[in-house]
Order: sequence, then structure tokens, then C-alpha cells
Amino acid sequence: AQSVTQPDIHITVSEGASLELRCNYSYGATPYLFWYVQSPGQGLQLLLKYFSGDTLVQGIKGFEAEFKRSQSSFNLRKPSVHWSDAAEYFCAVVPGYSSASKIIFGSGTRLSIRP
Amino acid sequence: EPEVTQTPSHQVTQMGQEVILRCVPISNHLYFYWYRQILGQKVEFLVSFYNNEISEKSEIFDDQFSVERPDGSNFTLKIRSTKLEDSAMYFCASSPDNSPLHFGNGTRLTVT
Repeated sequence: AQSVTQPDIHITVSEGASLELRCNYSYGATPYLFWYVQSPGQGLQLLLKYFSGDTLVQGIKGFEAEFKRSQSSFNLRKPSVHWSDAAEYFCAVVPGYSSASKIIFGSGTRLSIRP
Repeated sequence: EPEVTQTPSHQVTQMGQEVILRCVPISNHLYFYWYRQILGQKVEFLVSFYNNEISEKSEIFDDQFSVERPDGSNFTLKIRSTKLEDSAMYFCASSPDNSPLHFGNGTRLTVT
């Protein structure tokens, strides 16, 4: 079955430390890949997306993600986190050539920042 | 930057009552969607809407649900007779070309 896995439910990092949030998917063809962030009580904000081309994608707020086909992964990274980055992060996937209504979200990773 | 706006931010209703959740998509977008997120669970697709009709819907979107674009700017989700299990955060989204999606801040629906 098609799925999106975010293996880390909750991560705590110190302010200024680097961050990597993991995302794995199981689809045959290369899907469209997204990372969204959700602050408490807020909506889903698109951080970055991958459709094709360069496998290292730059997003907003200093985030980047790298698509690795061989590992079926699309991990989100940030070199130095800020306290304002504390939020829930969702990886999402649209199977290749499908409409956005087919978007499937991972279960999310909650990020806490240690002062 | 243009935003998808949703009202109200929080709606409390009694079981069996009808609720209407309202959304104003980004003005030049053509595709509209509703998703929901039950507390502690994943975001789930409900329905997509294009060219004034439903283009796709999930099995969650049963006869109790309906969508409408009444005036060319608003996009509404109606739940005819709410159940306790309808309590969730409901997100509206819009898109110019069926991807990617711009989400609103959501309406938290609490059914008591």
C-alpha cells in the first residue's frame, strides 16, 4: 500500500543546533514531495516542494530537503534552528502524475526547541 | 502574499445540528479542497472541487457532507447533521493548477 512514514514522533533539539527530520515513502514512480509546517492553532504552511530536477530543494525559513530515490526518502534539514521553529512538521506525497487531491500526509514530527 | 482564509476559527455545535464552514480561496485559483485532521491523527482528504463541481471525494465525504461555491469567492463545507466523530480541524486549500496546495489556518469543529 502507498504510504508516507515519518519515523520520529517527537524531536527536541537545542537552539542553534542542526536539524534533520526524516520522511520515507513507498511509491513505484517518483512522486511529488512536500514538507509543511503547522504551528499550534495554525494552518499548514508549505516549506518546500520537489517535483523534478535538482534533488536538493531550498525552501522558506532556511529549510532544505534532499530527495534520494535509492532510499525513497525526502528528509528535511536546517543547519541552525531557532526557537520559532518549534512546530509540527508534515511530509506529504502526491503519487506521480496524480492530482493534488491524492496528497497523502505523514503522521507528523513534533519539534521542540531547547533554550 | 495572498492567503486562504477560513471562518470561524472555532465552531462549537451540538450533535445533530448543521454547520457550515467557510473558506475564501486565493482569488485566481481554480481548484479547491477540504481536508480534515482529527486530533492526533493525519490530515485526510475529503473533497476536491473544480469548475463548479466535485471532481473527487473520499469515502469520508458521505451524504452528510456537501460543498458549494455560492458566489464566486466563498467555498463552503456543510455538514448536515453533525456527529461526535466529526470533531476535527477542517482545512480548506486552493491551487491554481491542482498542485501544490495553499492551506488556510483551519476551523476547529467541536461537536458536543
